[in-house]
Amino acid sequence: DTAVSQTPKYLVTQMGNDKSIKCEQNLGHDTMYWYKQDSKKFLKIMFSYNNKELIINETVPNRFSPKSPDKAHLNLHINSLELGDSAVYFCASSHTLDAVWGSPLHFGNGTRLTVT
Amino acid sequence: ILNVEQSPQSLHVQEGDSTNFTCSFPSSNFYALHWYRWETAKSPEALFVMTLNGDEKKKGRISATLNTKEGYSYLYIKGSQPEDSATYLCAFIGSGTYKYIFGTGTRLKVLA
Repeated sequence: DTAVSQTPKYLVTQMGNDKSIKCEQNLGHDTMYWYKQDSKKFLKIMFSYNNKELIINETVPNRFSPKSPDKAHLNLHINSLELGDSAVYFCASSHTLDAVWGSPLHFGNGTRLTVT
Repeated sequence: ILNVEQSPQSLHVQEGDSTNFTCSFPSSNFYALHWYRWETAKSPEALFVMTLNGDEKKKGRISATLNTKEGYSYLYIKGSQPEDSATYLCAFIGSGTYKYIFGTGTRLKVLA
């Protein structure tokens, strides 16, 4: 049983297209995240939702729109894709930090997005 | 802007050597510090959750210490094995935030 699953694993698309990456967790966690692994391999937070409510929104272009239909799902929609969007995107989940002190992140396997 | 830095950036050790690396983080507003192990083509997996100054955690040959007053944590690997080869990440969580701020990682290669 995969705890945090994201699809697709690979996504190749052309500039200007709109695409979505889906993420689901079956761990009963309340908080979900999107991270971007940049060209230097750093993991940078993009968004976080707690119980379907947006709690972190870093300085990400508004072409990126997260959607959380329920607390087990956090999808990432990207409009008008640009070359610079090419990266690996990781979904993660955790218990609410206030409820479980320092709850660790559980990551999905990543989606490698290539924009041509 | 919070800086979480790790050193060294990468290192190669021989099988059987012991090694350690450092994570530096802001010493104010500390909430928690995590260590993750990230193998190539996989996703990061949590090794340790450290919350109190002076914490020491151990899992097999790997251990970690925490000094929140001076803002650093050490990760130690005793008797390194080739399967320990991975990138080791630390993540800092500040009090009152919900952000896990990741360090730059230390890429470890254990040579057989």
